Amino acid sequence: DSGVTQTPKHLITATGQRVTLRCSPRSGDLSVYWYQQSLDQGLQFLIQYYNGEERAKGNILERFSAQQFPDLHSELNLSSLELGDSALYFCASSPGQTTNEKLFFGSGTQLSVL
Amino acid sequence: GDSVTQMEGPVTLSEEAFLTINCTYTATGYPSLFWYVQYPGEGLQLLLKATKADDKGSNKGFEATYRKETTSFHLEKGSVQVSDSAVYFCALVRPGGSNYKLTFGKGTLLTVNP
Repeated sequence: DSGVTQTPKHLITATGQRVTLRCSPRSGDLSVYWYQQSLDQGLQFLIQYYNGEERAKGNILERFSAQQFPDLHSELNLSSLELGDSALYFCASSPGQTTNEKLFFGSGTQLSVL
Repeated sequence: GDSVTQMEGPVTLSEEAFLTINCTYTATGYPSLFWYVQYPGEGLQLLLKATKADDKGSNKGFEATYRKETTSFHLEKGSVQVSDSAVYFCALVRPGGSNYKLTFGKGTLLTVNP
């Protein structure tokens, strides 16, 4: 058990809808990272938050947004969903700001857009 | 931009066989290199890492050496077990600046048969 909790584990929705994925980092970790894993693109970095502030942005679509709350949990919001957004979304956490540290991954949220 | 190329899978071995999973990278400067492992139904876990040229990372019988001259970080294990069946990801990060993101390869599925 990595200590990172993601909910829900599975999500099935329709095109055009909006969903929210939730992540609770390990106790004491200030950084949260979101990744998207799909068969064709592999594992893609989306965004990082550190202590409530956005720190780095990767290949995140404008339809997607994220935030980190004062209690350090994070939410990834996906809107106007398309079939191609179906993927496994991982959250990871680390104590500090740089990914030179070890990342601890949650077990992911499997999103299916029908 | 940064990229990681891993050998295509799947790789199927018998127990106690020797394992090599090739990984090469493209990045400017001196990235840190990682191998992550993803067991079925779980998130990624850090397996080993190396932060400078000629460093050898090792863990659980797995080893990888950071070769700057060949831009490689091949994963090896002398005798695999059924429990090593998983997906293995090679990754890099360029520390410093605003680039905190891990860049992953597409992953190599390893199946070890008894």
